[in-house]
Amino acid sequence: EVQLVESGGGLVRPGGSLRLSCAASGFIFSNFKMHWVRQAPGKGLEWVSSITKTSTYIYYADSVKGRLTISRDNAKNSLSLQMTGLRAEDTAVYYCVRASPDDWFDTWGPGTLVTVSS
Amino acid sequence: ETVLTQSPATLSLSPGERATLSCRASQSVSNYLAWYQQKAGQAPRLLIYGATTRATGIPARFSGSGSGTDFTLTISRLEPEDFAVYYCQQRGKWPPTFGQGTKVEI
Repeated sequence: EVQLVESGGGLVRPGGSLRLSCAASGFIFSNFKMHWVRQAPGKGLEWVSSITKTSTYIYYADSVKGRLTISRDNAKNSLSLQMTGLRAEDTAVYYCVRASPDDWFDTWGPGTLVTVSS
Repeated sequence: ETVLTQSPATLSLSPGERATLSCRASQSVSNYLAWYQQKAGQAPRLLIYGATTRATGIPARFSGSGSGTDFTLTISRLEPEDFAVYYCQQRGKWPPTFGQGTKVEI
């Protein structure tokens, strides 16, 4: 069974840092582009970042550029999101998402909640 | 960025009825449009991609149509498990963006 499980969320003060992880199983992780998508409480979905299969190309939403860093470890079947300089508006559930071969968001993890508050 | 506007915001229907959801893009995205279903407390699930193709395991009562700037998701006969929020998403223009969602409620 294809599975993605996020971890690392929690409460952090404004300006603080947090590292999210995503463990992938049930598929050949190194064959797929991966994304992070977030959802603020009661709000819609926002694409955050993506990374290609071998980390050659990395992309960020303007709202997070310079503060969030995506990375992957294909040997460990894991995806990460290093978050620094966190703001209240970064409060959201963060989803780890696998891309289909033609780059649709075809498999989602259950998400991990990040709350930025003093 | 490409803005996707979904309408209506809320659709109140009964099981067995037909649901028609609209998604309009601020510029052409060709057929690079997908639909996702999200139930309360759950992650989104891919329903339709390429505007018209059902994802694996999605029932035939779900269908998508449209191209360019105007798209429609149709649920032919609502089942109790279909009451949820539906989002459209485009990847025809960078960056990928989502609509604000349509809630289908009883």
